Amino acid sequence: GAVVSQHPSWVICKSGTSVKIECRSLDFQATTMFWYRQFPKQSLMLMATSNEGSKATYEQGVEKDKFLINHASLTLSTLTVTSAHPEDSSFYICSARDASVSTDTQYFGPGTRLTVL
Amino acid sequence: AQKVTQAQTEISVVEKEDVTLDCVYETRDTTYYLFWYKQPPSGELVFLIRRNSFDEQNEISGRYSWNFQKSTSSFNFTITASQVVDSAVYFCALSEPRSNDYKLSFGAGTTVTVRA
Repeated sequence: GAVVSQHPSWVICKSGTSVKIECRSLDFQATTMFWYRQFPKQSLMLMATSNEGSKATYEQGVEKDKFLINHASLTLSTLTVTSAHPEDSSFYICSARDASVSTDTQYFGPGTRLTVL
Repeated sequence: AQKVTQAQTEISVVEKEDVTLDCVYETRDTTYYLFWYKQPPSGELVFLIRRNSFDEQNEISGRYSWNFQKSTSSFNFTITASQVVDSAVYFCALSEPRSNDYKLSFGAGTTVTVRA
């Protein structure tokens, strides 16, 4: 089945530093990947849509200069949280859309738990 | 407006009981997709089912079954003979290709606790 990996699975960093999270589709090509964040006991909130070879599309209220997204290849998207602050602490989840005929399903990575001290 | 409503915040059952999770959606698209995902305590979302709007057949997969009714805009999920390993948060989601470019709109989730 479709597998999506995320790295790292957890990270602790100091306030003011930048953190990069990688999302990879391991056995399929993903022209579109999505980045979500999830606070404790809440649902997933879509942050941005990452399209291979073009700029990401951000949801309303998400700072594109703070959350940098790069979709360098059909199997890799990265999210960089720049100048992280404690309020950025959250669970970040990526998904990759398998756009092959008749499936068109999003498969999710295992998530990255970010803690900013 | 909330596109996907999961009215049940938490459900607690004893092992072997059946549990039904409600999901009501709202869309103007004629073509859309509905999903259920399971999120165990580890955090990873596990894909359970995808249903397109033209396929109203109910589906059974082991102890899981889904009841899709377009007339009431509902896509309910039943776990039969629940087990402790079924304890998780379950999310219903809607994809609207035409109006929302395949983005997933998630419900708030239902936390299921199965007690031994």
